[in-house]
Amino acid sequence: TQLLEQSPQFLSIQEGENLTVYCNSSSVFSSLQWYRQEPGEGPVLLVTVVTGGEVKKLKRLTFQFGDARKDSSLHITAAQPGDTGLYLCAGAYAGNMLTFGGGTRLMVKP
Amino acid sequence: EADIYQTPRYLVIGTGKKITLECSQTMGHDKMYWYQQDPGMELHLIHYSYGVNSTEKGDLSSESTVSRIRTEHFPLTLESARPSHTSQYLCASSEPGGPYNEQFFGPGTRLTVL
Repeated sequence: TQLLEQSPQFLSIQEGENLTVYCNSSSVFSSLQWYRQEPGEGPVLLVTVVTGGEVKKLKRLTFQFGDARKDSSLHITAAQPGDTGLYLCAGAYAGNMLTFGGGTRLMVKP
Repeated sequence: EADIYQTPRYLVIGTGKKITLECSQTMGHDKMYWYQQDPGMELHLIHYSYGVNSTEKGDLSSESTVSRIRTEHFPLTLESARPSHTSQYLCASSEPGGPYNEQFFGPGTRLTVL
């Protein structure tokens, strides 16, 4: 079983602060996805990173895939209360299956 | 926006009851999945399907069963619910031939077994 570890598990910050969430594994993934999940809803795909070293930006969110395709990070600039939610990373491996990390619960206080 | 639906959204039942959680998608996706998620925790794959008449068990052992008679429909059944089955159940689908297996999720069914 491929394992993904996310850190931190919980993060509570003030509006306007920056933050970084990490997703690490000892396994190599063919691609890595980030999802955001709000309470009572299913996860929604934010981005997919494929190439080692790849950086993708989605407004105030910056996603990076490690050179060895074993780890990834999500950086949020000037966080807003609307960013509050559970952030999940998921790695794709052989057979087109996904393994999910444990999630980072983010709360942004106004 | 993904068109994948789950019913019911919330279900509270007594021990020993048989239940079926419904999942339907209108995107024509061949691959469908069921995940189990405790509140705020990671997702565990319990069943998946590559298409009609295809069903496989996932990484997490589950007493539930699934069927795939139609492409758009992937129901999950518990023959005799127990309190240990209390959890959120998420259904997902992915595009046929998609290289990255990006998945679209339904809103989930929150099940409570008393």
